[in-house]
Amino acid sequence: AQSVTQLDSQVPVFEEAPVELRCNYSSSVSVYLFWYVQYPNQGLQLLLKYLSGSTLVESINGFEAEFNKSQTSFHLRKPSVHISDTAEYFCAVSAFSGTYKYIFGTGTRLKVLA
Amino acid sequence: GAVVSQHPSWVICKSGTSVKIECRSLDFQATTMFWYRQFPKQSLMLMATSNEGSKATYEQGVEKDKFLINHASLTLSTLTVTSAHPEDSSFYICSARRGTSGGAMDTQYFGPGTRLTVL
Repeated sequence: AQSVTQLDSQVPVFEEAPVELRCNYSSSVSVYLFWYVQYPNQGLQLLLKYLSGSTLVESINGFEAEFNKSQTSFHLRKPSVHISDTAEYFCAVSAFSGTYKYIFGTGTRLKVLA
Repeated sequence: GAVVSQHPSWVICKSGTSVKIECRSLDFQATTMFWYRQFPKQSLMLMATSNEGSKATYEQGVEKDKFLINHASLTLSTLTVTSAHPEDSSFYICSARRGTSGGAMDTQYFGPGTRLTVL
């Protein structure tokens, strides 16, 4: 079985400061890793994903995440946040069980302060 | 980008009644859709995998007779909560998988969710 842990339920940070949202997972099989973002009153949107290859993956809006197999982590980082980054961020793993299914973490609410 | 809609966005019903929630992929065909349930401050819990033209696959602990899923076309899946009770009150989210390989390369696109309140 797989599980995902997002230890921080809420992260407040000032605008233009760096931020790291933590994600750890456990699995006995190979997994694929995702970060989704949910803005208020909207559906989850894919932010970035790690399937294979380079362990550092980037999104178009400045976020990046690094897959660390030894630490079973996939932390999300941004060097300088904007007010518009305020949202709920979900980490997910995908593993095969008949079909590829997602297991989600509990989410981290990022609140960017002016 | 790919768009998935849900209807209604919120619904209030009396205990004992049934409620149907629709999930539509607006600009792509989805052979597989997923239904999730989310409690406040908790993660999305996968309830079932819905495959077009076949029976849904339910996760352990999910009552298939209570949560009826119908995936009648490549763009529409419905979740019917039958004989709803207050403990069924929750946020229900669907997703549609775009791609045909059924693999990790396929991305899931999520609907905005439906908040169900059972009185």
